[in-house]
Amino acid sequence: NAGVTQTPKFQVLKTGQSMTLQCAQDMNHEYMSWYRQDPGMGLRLIHYSVGAGITDQGEVPNGYNVSRSTTEDFPLRLLSAAPSQTSVYFCASGTSGGPNEQFFGPGTRLTVL
Amino acid sequence: DQQVKQNSPSLSVQEGRISILNCDYTNSMFDYFLWYKKYPAEGPTFLISISSIKDKNEDGRFTVFLNKSAKHLSLHIVPSQPGDSAVYFCAAKRRRTSYDKVIFGPGTSLSVIP
Repeated sequence: NAGVTQTPKFQVLKTGQSMTLQCAQDMNHEYMSWYRQDPGMGLRLIHYSVGAGITDQGEVPNGYNVSRSTTEDFPLRLLSAAPSQTSVYFCASGTSGGPNEQFFGPGTRLTVL
Repeated sequence: DQQVKQNSPSLSVQEGRISILNCDYTNSMFDYFLWYKKYPAEGPTFLISISSIKDKNEDGRFTVFLNKSAKHLSLHIVPSQPGDSAVYFCAAKRRRTSYDKVIFGPGTSLSVIP
């Protein structure tokens, strides 16, 4: 099992550019989520999904879109990148219900100039 | 408004001693609480969890205590080892119909000094 994979590992964008961060899991987990980690802020939930076709907003959804067409994939789209979106992004997956232990990917470090 | 708080950004402990990491929450609807550990340049990894119907859960050197009336939980690591040096995140989860989401605190950086 590869677990949770994220691509790319690093990315530099210019303000206004768009891009998609990829996330895939091979554990057949229903629950997938995207977080961003900023200094002093911990992990903040951007969007999450409890199954294919079902997504919902987290704490900081503005400027990001998600879709879940398959169980395995949960891409995060930045529509028009802004410097405030400079962060480290983590994708996670887990089983829905119960304590909801999540498995995290290695992260994508994004810099927006 | 931050629903999960970790008021100590950092903590230093001697090897072999006890490490106590604290977490406070504001939402009484949270059902589960989890602790994650994170090393630099890696994703967080799950450590231990506790249900709101319990007040203690133990797993090897790690014990989590929950005080619902005070909306407070703590993670005890005994004995602390240098490999425990990492950032520890407290997280809380609320069950809402069939959907759920997890809210993380800002983290506490633990340094275990050999």
